[in-house]
Amino acid sequence: DAKTTQPPSMDCAEGRAANLPCNHSTISGNEYVYWYRQIHSQGPQYIIHGLKNNETNEMASLIITEDRKSSTLILPHATLRDTAVYYCIVRQKLNTGTASKLTFGTGTRLQVTL
Amino acid sequence: EAGVTQSPTHLIKTRGQQATLRCSPISGHTSVYWYQQALGLGLQFLLWYDEGEERNRGNFPPRFSGRQFPNYSSELNVNALELEDSALYLCASSLVQGRTADTQYFGPGTRLTVL
Repeated sequence: DAKTTQPPSMDCAEGRAANLPCNHSTISGNEYVYWYRQIHSQGPQYIIHGLKNNETNEMASLIITEDRKSSTLILPHATLRDTAVYYCIVRQKLNTGTASKLTFGTGTRLQVTL
Repeated sequence: EAGVTQSPTHLIKTRGQQATLRCSPISGHTSVYWYQQALGLGLQFLLWYDEGEERNRGNFPPRFSGRQFPNYSSELNVNALELEDSALYLCASSLVQGRTADTQYFGPGTRLTVL
C-alpha cells in the first residue's frame, strides 16, 4: 500500500471548518483513500473513503485532487467532540492477504478549542 | 444495528500466562481483523480471518494465534505473555464480496495489561 504523509498536529476553533491534509503521492490507480479517527483509547471510527471523486457523508467531506496525489478531509463545523487523531490510509479493495489489512501511520492530532 | 463487540473490556494477566480475547463482528460480515496498539505506538496488523480461515498475519510471533468460528466470531489467543504484550487489542470486521474487501469497522478494544 502507498505511504501517506500527514501533519502531526492541527488546531481548529469550535464551529469552524477543519481541513486535514494528506499526501499520498505514490498512490496507484486501484487504491482508495480512507479516513478514520481515534478518540483517546477507543477503537478507530470510520469516517469516509473515496477513489477519485469527491465524497460527502453526514460526518465529513473528502476532496481528492485530480492527480490523486493528495486529499483533504473536511469537517464542516468542528466541535469539541471532534478532537481526535485522524488517520489517512491508502488501501486496495482486493480480497487478498496483503491488500486487506489497514496500515496506520501516525496520523494528525486535531485539537478543537473553544 | 449492533457494531463490532469485544470482550472483555479490560484484562489483567501476569507474565507467562495465556490471554483469550473475543470479538463478534457486525451481522453479515464474514471477515475479522485483529490489530495491536501498544502505548505510544501505532496500530499494528496482527491477523485476518475470513470464512473460518486465517488469510494473513502480521509480523508477530507464533504465540499470537486465533481462530474464527462458524458464526464468524473470533478469538485471539496470546500465549506465554510478556510485559510488552500490554496493549489495546482491536478487532475490526468487514464484508467480503468476491474479490472485494469492504470497509473495516472497529470494536471498542480490549485493554490487556501484563504484570
